Amino acid sequence: GESVGLHLPTLSVQEGDNSIINCAYSNSASDYFIWYKQESGKGPQFIIDIRSNMDKRQGQRVTVLLNKTVKHLSLQIAATQPGDSAVYFCAEQTGANSKLTFGKGITLSVRP
Amino acid sequence: DVKVTQSSRYLVKRTGEKVFLECVQDMDHENMFWYRQDPGLGLRLIYFSYDVKMKEKGDIPEGYSVSREKKERFSLILESASTNQTSMYLCASGGWAGGSGQETQYFGPGTRLLVL
Repeated sequence: GESVGLHLPTLSVQEGDNSIINCAYSNSASDYFIWYKQESGKGPQFIIDIRSNMDKRQGQRVTVLLNKTVKHLSLQIAATQPGDSAVYFCAEQTGANSKLTFGKGITLSVRP
Repeated sequence: DVKVTQSSRYLVKRTGEKVFLECVQDMDHENMFWYRQDPGLGLRLIYFSYDVKMKEKGDIPEGYSVSREKKERFSLILESASTNQTSMYLCASGGWAGGSGQETQYFGPGTRLLVL
């Protein structure tokens, strides 16, 4: 069957290296952002989120950076592992309880 | 852990059939969502619900309807399936994320529907 990753840009990294996945968002009024990971054949999985009053937030092996000046969001994955191979989506929200707007996604491929 | 389940992982239906996709969440969330996901188009919102018996159209509601009779269950209905509704259907439930103090969305595993 077709993969959700078809037609998406691909980032290829060596196992053990750090990965940086970038996302440009569209609405300067967006105040909440989420990164999701989607493995083949599965639903998107929440990774980390950040509100617009912050510019950095860290989780376990992941860091999200927000640059509101240029409307840019990035996800950094430390010591990338084969299990990190997936499609990664960013999502933005404007105001609580409003709809999420999703990016198209980027495929992360980890080379052994 | 948040758990969102969908009734089927794979479905094959014929054109014109009525199709029901069921979604259940176990976290007492108010908000539930139905998306479809297609290669090159990303996630598109079909319908959502902020409360029992309440529904709102998303970006692509045509050809679909929904039902929310109980808080934990949100059903997507294809009244008369067509081949252009072949897609991956994802249900999501809205709840509070651990760190940011804001509601986020948690997804089910998806139902891959093929309409012949």
